[in-house]
Amino acid sequence: ETGVTQTPRHLVMGMTNKKSLKCEQHLGHNAMYWYKQSAKKPLELMFVYNFKEQTENNSVPSRFSPECPNSSHLFLHLHTLQPEDSALYLCASSQDLGGGGEKLFFGSGTQLSVL
Amino acid sequence: GQNIDQPTEMTATEGAIVQINCTYQTSGFNGLFWYQQHAGEAPTFLSYNVLDGLEEKGRFSSFLSRSKGYSYLLLKELQMKDSASYLCAVVDSNYQLIWGAGTKLIIKP
Repeated sequence: ETGVTQTPRHLVMGMTNKKSLKCEQHLGHNAMYWYKQSAKKPLELMFVYNFKEQTENNSVPSRFSPECPNSSHLFLHLHTLQPEDSALYLCASSQDLGGGGEKLFFGSGTQLSVL
Repeated sequence: GQNIDQPTEMTATEGAIVQINCTYQTSGFNGLFWYQQHAGEAPTFLSYNVLDGLEEKGRFSSFLSRSKGYSYLLLKELQMKDSASYLCAVVDSNYQLIWGAGTKLIIKP
C-alpha cells in the first residue's frame, strides 16, 4: 500500500465516450502528477499540480483534461480518445515539488483500452 | 537531447546476483532514482543517489559514477519475488525527472 489510490483499475471505452480517472492520496503531500506508461517506453509526464495549482502541462492533447479540487484528489477527464491513448495511467504524489531528492509515491494505475 | 539507457530484459537464477545498468546523458544532474514495479502494481521507490559511490540497503545496492554518467542496481540472493521491472530516472538541471524505459527482470528457479 503506497498511500495513493487510483480508480478504476481497468477501463475500456469507445472513442466517443467520456470517462474520468480518479486519484486520491492519504499522505498529506502537496504535489500530484499524472503519468502515461506505454509498454517498453519511458514514463511520460502529463500534468503536475502543486497546492492545487497546475504547474506543468507537457503538451498533452486537449482530449485529456485534468482537475485538482484539493491537494488530496486528482482527476483526469477523458473524451474522444484515440486507440493510441491506450496505456497505463499512473497517478503519483510527492511531499513538495523539485529539490532533486523528492521521491514519488505512485498509485497502481488505471489500465485504459480505447476501442 | 536527454537520454537514459537500460537493458530491456534480463534473466537470472534464484539465489544468484544480478546487476542492472543505467547510463544517462542529461542536461545537468541532480540525482538518480531506482524504482521497482511489479506487473500490474505501482512503481515503488528503491534508492536515490546524488553522490558517487555505492549505497547498500539489505539485498539491494545502488552505485553511481557521475563522471561516467553511469549507475547500476545490484540485487543479491535473488528471490522469485524480485521478478519485476526496474526503472532508472535522473533529475536534470531543471529538476525534471528523465525516465528510462525500464528493465524487466525475470527470475528462474
